[in-house]
Amino acid sequence: DSGVTQTPKHLITATGQRVTLRCSPRSGDLSVYWYQQSLDQGLQFLIQYYNGEERAKGNILERFSAQQFPDLHSELNLSSLELGDSALYFCASSVAEANYGYTFGSGTRLTVV
Amino acid sequence: SQQGEEDPQALSIQEGENATMNCSYKTSINNLQWYRQNSGRGLVHLILIRSNEREKHSGRLRVTLDTSKKSSSLLITASRAADTASYFCATLRVGNQGGKLIFGQGTELSVKP
Repeated sequence: DSGVTQTPKHLITATGQRVTLRCSPRSGDLSVYWYQQSLDQGLQFLIQYYNGEERAKGNILERFSAQQFPDLHSELNLSSLELGDSALYFCASSVAEANYGYTFGSGTRLTVV
Repeated sequence: SQQGEEDPQALSIQEGENATMNCSYKTSINNLQWYRQNSGRGLVHLILIRSNEREKHSGRLRVTLDTSKKSSSLLITASRAADTASYFCATLRVGNQGGKLIFGQGTELSVKP
């Protein structure tokens, strides 16, 4: 157990639907990062939050949004889902900003049918 | 786009042999990190090397960094079947907004018993 908790582990949903992925960072970590991993695109950075505020944005689609709550857990919302959104979604956390490495969760495998 | 490119894409060796993986990147960095991912699982942080360091060791791992060539290598000595996994390099760029790491495409290592 890495200390970063992601739920759910698996999610199967239909095109056009909306889902929410949840991440609880390791205790004491203030930064949360979301990544998408697919076979063709590899690991793509989506977005980072630090202590509740958005700090960096990557190639995140407008259909996707995220937030970090006061208790530091984070949610990634994916809407109007398309087949191409099927991927592994990882959350990672760190104490500061990547100077000591990330701790990754075990991921949510999203399948859009 | 990916910052790091790893070479080789796949590597197959016998137990007890050494495995060397290379990573090249494009822009100036603050640090470079290596991660391991077992199939379908979360990534595990292995080692971080800062831009002012040239070599670092951790157990059976040895990482080198050549900032003039914008490249790094990961050496795993006396490999074991349990080392079978994908290995990714990730870079934190200079002047990076936030702490986002950019990952390479990874090297798939297979260690045969």
